[in-house]
Amino acid sequence: EVQLVESGGGLIQPGGSLRLSCAAPGFTVSRHHMTWVRKAPGKGLEWVSVIYIGSNTYYVDSVKGRFTISRDNSKNTLYLQMNNMRAEDTAVYYCASFGGPAYYMDVWGKGTTVTVSS
Amino acid sequence: QLVLTQSPSASASLGASVKLTCTLSSDHSDYAIAWHQQQPEKGPRYLMKLNGDGSHSKGDGIPDRFSGSSSGAERYLTISNLQAEDEADYYCQTWGTGPNWVFGGGTKLTVL
Repeated sequence: EVQLVESGGGLIQPGGSLRLSCAAPGFTVSRHHMTWVRKAPGKGLEWVSVIYIGSNTYYVDSVKGRFTISRDNSKNTLYLQMNNMRAEDTAVYYCASFGGPAYYMDVWGKGTTVTVSS
Repeated sequence: QLVLTQSPSASASLGASVKLTCTLSSDHSDYAIAWHQQQPEKGPRYLMKLNGDGSHSKGDGIPDRFSGSSSGAERYLTISNLQAEDEADYYCQTWGTGPNWVFGGGTKLTVL
């Protein structure tokens, strides 16, 4: 069974940095387009960032210049480096993979919680 | 602007059927979407991809009780023979140029 397991969440002060990881046992991250999606308290799902198989990356406007998506093929792990964090970044962060073309997410992780607060 | 609109809540009785609606913005009425389920305290789960002509392909292990249909700009998710475990938030999702992935606001389904 394909699994995606996020880690790295926690409490961070505004302006701080955090790196989220997404491990993928039984699944090859480099062979799939991968993405991060978040859910803020009381709100719906919001796409955050994507990394294509070919390594092109894209971001939602609100995180451009602050967040960086990457992957380490040797560790089969996806990352999200979050810098200069803001209160509005508080959310549960999910990693997900796309089934084939990057149209819809077909495998999701259970999420890791990020809280930005002083 | 690519927008998906969902009713915030729905309810139906155990064993009954319910039809959830996702409406595409008028300029994108022929777009395909995906439906995702998020049970309390869990990660989302992919249910199905739903095309504008109503054809759909479900994810692995999704029960036959879940089906999709389309009419114009509206995309539907029908759940038959409701079970207690169907109580969840349901999100529609689509994709556009940019690239960009858009979610509806979600519908909270209560099973009575």
